[in-house]
Amino acid sequence: AQSVAQPEDQVNVAEGNPLTVKCTYSVSGNPYLFWYVQYPNRGLQFLLKYITGDNLVKGSYGFEAEFNKSQTSFHLKKPSALVSDSALYFCAVGGGGFKTIFGAGTRLFVKA
Amino acid sequence: GAVVSQHPSRVICKSGTSVKIECRSLDFQATTMFWYRQFPKKSLMLMATSNEGSKATYEQGVEKDKFLINHASLTLSTLTVTSAHPEDSSFYICSANPPGDSPLHFGNGTRLTVT
Repeated sequence: AQSVAQPEDQVNVAEGNPLTVKCTYSVSGNPYLFWYVQYPNRGLQFLLKYITGDNLVKGSYGFEAEFNKSQTSFHLKKPSALVSDSALYFCAVGGGGFKTIFGAGTRLFVKA
Repeated sequence: GAVVSQHPSRVICKSGTSVKIECRSLDFQATTMFWYRQFPKKSLMLMATSNEGSKATYEQGVEKDKFLINHASLTLSTLTVTSAHPEDSSFYICSANPPGDSPLHFGNGTRLTVT
C-alpha cells in the first residue's frame, strides 16, 4: 500500500529566509511523487513532480524538491520565502495507474 | 495546460434537497475523474473514482446512494448529493488526469452549505 506523511502541521518562516516542508513516503516500486499548493477556498494547484531522472526537481513559483530514495523523502524547498507563499501544501504519491494519496497537509506561514 | 472546471463554486441548499456538482475537463479527455471531500483544515478524502461509461468506484465508508456519480462523457463527471443534510456541508473537489504521466489537475472546488 502507498502512503505519504507530512510530519509538520505548520511551518513558520520569515520572508526572505529559506523554507522546507517535509514529506516522507512509502511505496512498493518506483514512486510518483507530487507537491500541490492550496489557497483558501480553491482547488489544488500542481507545483512539481518526480517520476524519474534527476533527484532535484524544479517546479512552479521558485519551488524545488529533492527526491531521496534512501530516506524515502521528498521535501519541498524554496531558497527565499515570500509572504504570498503562505498557503496549505500537500505532498502526494500515486499516478502510473495507482490512486493518488495525499498527505495531511502542512500550513506554511511566511511572516513579513 | 490542462484545465479542469468545476461548477458551481458555492451552493447553499436546504436540508432534504439534492445538489448537483459538475466537473469538466476543458482541453483533454478524461476516462477517469476523482471526487474528493475536504473538511476544514484537513486533507483531501477520496470519495470515489468516476469511470466514463461505467459505474463509479466508491471508497470504503462512502454511501453510493447518497453521493451519486455519473460520468456520461469523456469530459464531464457529475456528483449529486442526494437528500442533503447539514453534515454534508463541506468542500468538494474534483480532479482528472490528462494523458501520460501528467499529474492530477483539480477543479477549484465547490463549497456546499446545507441549512
